[in-house]
Amino acid sequence: EVQLVESGGALVQPGGSLRLSCAASGFTFRSHWMSWFRQAPGRGLQWVGNIKGDGSEEYYVDSVEGRFTISRDNAKNSLYLKMDSLRVEDTATYYCTRGMNPEFWGQGTLVTVSS
Amino acid sequence: EIVMTQTPPLLPVTLGQPASISCRSSQRLVYSDGNTYLSWLHQRPGQPPRLLIYKVFARFSGVPDRFSGSGAETNFTLQISRVEAEDVGIFYCLQATQFPYTFGQGTELEIK
Repeated sequence: EVQLVESGGALVQPGGSLRLSCAASGFTFRSHWMSWFRQAPGRGLQWVGNIKGDGSEEYYVDSVEGRFTISRDNAKNSLYLKMDSLRVEDTATYYCTRGMNPEFWGQGTLVTVSS
Repeated sequence: EIVMTQTPPLLPVTLGQPASISCRSSQRLVYSDGNTYLSWLHQRPGQPPRLLIYKVFARFSGVPDRFSGSGAETNFTLQISRVEAEDVGIFYCLQATQFPYTFGQGTELEIK
C-alpha cells in the first residue's frame, strides 16, 4: 500500500525558514517524480514544485522560485521541502504527492506564517 | 501559464441523477509525447484530494465506473452517471502538460 506521510509543519514568523519532510513507503521511491502541492485555508489547490526520481530536475511555481527548494533522499525514501524567506501568503496545508498525475496524496502538514 | 476555467462553481444535484463538470484550458494540453495531461481530482471536506481521472479519460485504480472523463485539445468534461452521497465535495481539474501545473477553481457538488 502506497503511503505518504508529511511532517514538519509549524507556526513560523514572516522571513523565517522551515523544512517539511515526506516519508514514502509501498512503492519504489526512486522511480517516481514527486511533487509538493499546497492549499491555503478555504482556498483552492496550487502546485508548488516537483523533482525527478533521480533528483536531476526540479521545477517550481514562480511565487516560490528562489525561496523554496525540493530535494529527496532515495536511500531513505524521503522527500523534502526547504522553505526560506517565508511570507504570510505561504500559509497553507502542504501535500506530498507521487507521480505526474498525481496519483497518491499524503494527509498534509499545516504551515502557518504569522507574527 | 495555462489558465484552467472550470464550470459551474456550484453544482446542486439530486441523488441518483447525472452530473457534468466542464474544464477549459487557455492552451492546448497535448504534450510532445502525444499525451494530454489533464486530471480530475475530488476533495471531500477535511480530506486531502484524491485522483479520479488522469490523461483525460483513464480512471484511476479503485475509482467507481460511474466517473468518466472526456475531451481533447482545450475542452474537457468530467461526468458522473449517478451521483451518490459520498460525491459531496469539490472537484478540480488539473493540467500537468506545462509548468507551472495549474488547477481549475473547483466545482462544489452538493446534494439537493
